[in-house]
Amino acid sequence: DIVITQDELSNPVTSGESVSISCRSSKSLLYKDGKTYLNWFLQRPGQSPQLLIYLMSTRASGVSDRFSGSGSGTDFTLEISRVKAEDVGVYYCQQLVEYPLTFGAGTKLELK
Amino acid sequence: EIQLQQSGPELVKPGASVKVSCKASGYAFTSYNMYWVKQSHGKSLEWIGYIDPYNGGTSYNQKFKGKATLTVDKSSSTAYMHLNSLTSEDSAVYYCASTIGTIYAMDYWGQGTSVTVSS
Repeated sequence: DIVITQDELSNPVTSGESVSISCRSSKSLLYKDGKTYLNWFLQRPGQSPQLLIYLMSTRASGVSDRFSGSGSGTDFTLEISRVKAEDVGVYYCQQLVEYPLTFGAGTKLELK
Repeated sequence: EIQLQQSGPELVKPGASVKVSCKASGYAFTSYNMYWVKQSHGKSLEWIGYIDPYNGGTSYNQKFKGKATLTVDKSSSTAYMHLNSLTSEDSAVYYCASTIGTIYAMDYWGQGTSVTVSS
């Protein structure tokens, strides 16, 4: 199975700042069709996961442009600019290049 | 409005089974695969499998083969997940989700169903 690794954030973030969340894959998520099969989700406290980014860098419908995704075949970053209180929660990355689909352990975003 | 409405919380005894439902509305149920995801308390997400509501075809995570069985009832636009021989390890929140807005990601999720296995 593909292992997805996510680091913890070192410190809580101040509202209005920017933050980067990283994600690494044990295998390249770049498929032969040229697409990179990496998605990002936010799970707010007590809620279901919400899709933010799919195919590494495409924002899902209705998602703020404060969220952006980037990366290569195995290393990925979710950037959140001008962090707001509503961004608090756990961020998960997920690979879909092969089955079984796997998720990272999550990165918790807290505000100071 | 697109909705995935899941059944309520379950408290079941060890060794028993449970069936979780996910009723879809607001879209063509048979056009999109339905996925199931497990989230143990305070932990990450695990993909259980998916079912194609059109033909009933399924794909399972090897870890959940023999534990979970996915079915659908097209007449009521409802997907089901049956979990058998329950142990404390099966206590978790279970989500259904579908790839409706994009085939590349689960963009619609149910609210989750809590299953607690306890004597």
